[in-house]
Amino acid sequence: AQSVTQLDSHVSVSEGTPVLLRCNYSSSYSPSLFWYVQHPNKGLQLLLKYTSAATLVKGINGFEAEFKKSETSFHLTKPSAHMSDAAEYFCVVSARDTGRRALTFGSGTRLQVQP
Amino acid sequence: SQTIHQWPATLVQPVGSPLSLECTVEGTSNPNLYWYRQAAGRGLQLLFYSVGIGQISSEVPQNLSASRPQDRQFILSSKKLLLSDSGFYLCAWGGPLTRNTGELFFGEGSRLTVL
Repeated sequence: AQSVTQLDSHVSVSEGTPVLLRCNYSSSYSPSLFWYVQHPNKGLQLLLKYTSAATLVKGINGFEAEFKKSETSFHLTKPSAHMSDAAEYFCVVSARDTGRRALTFGSGTRLQVQP
Repeated sequence: SQTIHQWPATLVQPVGSPLSLECTVEGTSNPNLYWYRQAAGRGLQLLFYSVGIGQISSEVPQNLSASRPQDRQFILSSKKLLLSDSGFYLCAWGGPLTRNTGELFFGEGSRLTVL
């Protein structure tokens, strides 16, 4: 069984300040982890992924995430927020379970960026 | 490169009317295909997935059905819509489950409002 917990449903930052979106996971198998972004009324776009290589993963638009097995965390960060970063962000865990990969989505974190 | 198309983008239907949402993928063969629903303010719920033509797995009992008449075509249907069917429907595709790390690629979504 696997699960994902996004610790904040809403995060508000000022433009130019750092962004931290928190995600904890649990998985009985070696997981792959992803962050997706969704702008209003749009599909989900893959930001970055962790697949058991480097624990610090760099994604698009200046985002990065660090896989910490001891803390079962995969937090998403960005040094400086831009207005265009305002969107919903989903943390996703994928593990091979009984022969097929099961994807589990977190409930999402809505990021607001204040001017 | 691979692309995924979903239509219609927006749909307003009366209760009891039928539904057909279509999704097609280009630039890949034998994809795994998925239908997700996103209710307002909530995360993604997996409705159906398919690993091949005519092979459909349902994740939750509901008023909806899915079909895969061609390798890269995935259709979501209902004979009689309910108010609770309103939501944002997302089609997604992924690579073979045993050879990939689980990331999915999403369409732009179809917003269904049942009145």
